[in-house]
Amino acid sequence: DAGVIQSPRHEVTEMGQEVTLRCKPISGHNSLFWYRQTMMRGLELLIYFNNNVPIDDSGMPEDRFSAKMPNASFSTLKIQPSEPRDSAVYFCASSPGRVSSYNEQFFGPGTRLTVL
Amino acid sequence: DAKTTQPPSMDCAEGRAANLPCNHSTISGNEYVYWYRQIHSQGPQYIIHGLKNNETNEMASLIITEDRKSSTLILPHATLRDTAVYYCIVRALSGNTPLVFGKGTRLSVIA
Repeated sequence: DAGVIQSPRHEVTEMGQEVTLRCKPISGHNSLFWYRQTMMRGLELLIYFNNNVPIDDSGMPEDRFSAKMPNASFSTLKIQPSEPRDSAVYFCASSPGRVSSYNEQFFGPGTRLTVL
Repeated sequence: DAKTTQPPSMDCAEGRAANLPCNHSTISGNEYVYWYRQIHSQGPQYIIHGLKNNETNEMASLIITEDRKSSTLILPHATLRDTAVYYCIVRALSGNTPLVFGKGTRLSVIA
């Protein structure tokens, strides 16, 4: 299994531009999570999906952020318009979604976003 | 907010056991203790979890006190590759709940 796949790995853009981050979860996993990591705030949850349905988006900073999961194998996180304070590493994670204590989350390698 | 307290940093000599403590005094009866680690520039990686019994796998051991208010992650023979930030997380039994990360402990394994 290739694990969770994220693209691009690095993105440099200018303030005001639209940014789209992509994630392919592990096949068969029912839950997908988007996290953001900065030095100041650490790792924080932005949004998560179960069976392609958004469950909790309370971590999304503001309306400039949106996330979709059109099918079980693909999700996007979009920032429009981007601002310098959005610079961070964005991680996607997936888990089987079983009601079980062993419900490990598998993280992708992250997308390092720099907004100039 | 994270429900755990961990020391910000620790050092460990290579080949020695690394013992990473975690306080979770407000843990509920249905909450498990999970440990993840994050090696520099990588995504977090699951290590181990437990409810009340001690657990061991190929990576580490987890010791949970009888009152469940604290736990210790043990890396029996630390190597330089174990240098990472280690996160202790309490989480209810569920298929769907996300992880809430605190600041973790930065473990430096020294040759």
